[in-house]
Amino acid sequence: DQQVKQNSPSLSVQEGRISILNCDYTNSMFDYFLWYKKYPAEGPTFLISISSIKDKNEDGRFTVFLNKSAKHLSLHIVPSQPGDSAVYFCAANIAGGGNKLTFGTGTQLKVEL
Amino acid sequence: SAVISQKPSRDICQRGTSLTIQCQVDSQVTMMFWYRQQPGQSLTLIATANQGSEATYESGFVIDKFPISRPNLTFSTLTVSNMSPEDSSIYLCSVGEGGMNTEAFFGQGTRLTVV
Repeated sequence: DQQVKQNSPSLSVQEGRISILNCDYTNSMFDYFLWYKKYPAEGPTFLISISSIKDKNEDGRFTVFLNKSAKHLSLHIVPSQPGDSAVYFCAANIAGGGNKLTFGTGTQLKVEL
Repeated sequence: SAVISQKPSRDICQRGTSLTIQCQVDSQVTMMFWYRQQPGQSLTLIATANQGSEATYESGFVIDKFPISRPNLTFSTLTVSNMSPEDSSIYLCSVGEGGMNTEAFFGQGTRLTVV
């Protein structure tokens, strides 16, 4: 039972354009959502997060949007840069769950010159 | 954020043997976790490493297969016991402060290949 889903295994975007990565979840108990970036042979690196009481959080080039009614969140990267090429994981946390995370399957982003 | 070091970074092991992975953090942390990422799969939580007591395992993971120690607030080990090729994965240590709406941080992972 995959409670966090990233339906696009891969995404290719041109440098300077917007990258939009999507994530859907099924568990209504999730109340904190995070995005991680992972390069090969490295551990996931925290990017940005959003609490369920918000619908948007922005940090530089990265913005995360949350639609609770649709159980959907998205990560926008603008402008995209070649160094953004990596696997992006969406993760979710239940209130009171400490830092235990449920991860999506990941989306491989490739930013082309 | 905490600096997390995992050892070894990779290993190739014979089936039937065991491997112990170490996770060292440069500061005391409340929560420590172990995850597994099988080839082409997502990260799956194996267990929460509890300081001074038995780890809390997730469904599908058992102590006999994945014994975990956490003797203090900066160190934990995960052992993969009686390995089979199906155990070939990346194993990741994660830490966090356990508060509301706080992020978790990850070590660089241990890439295990069982032959």
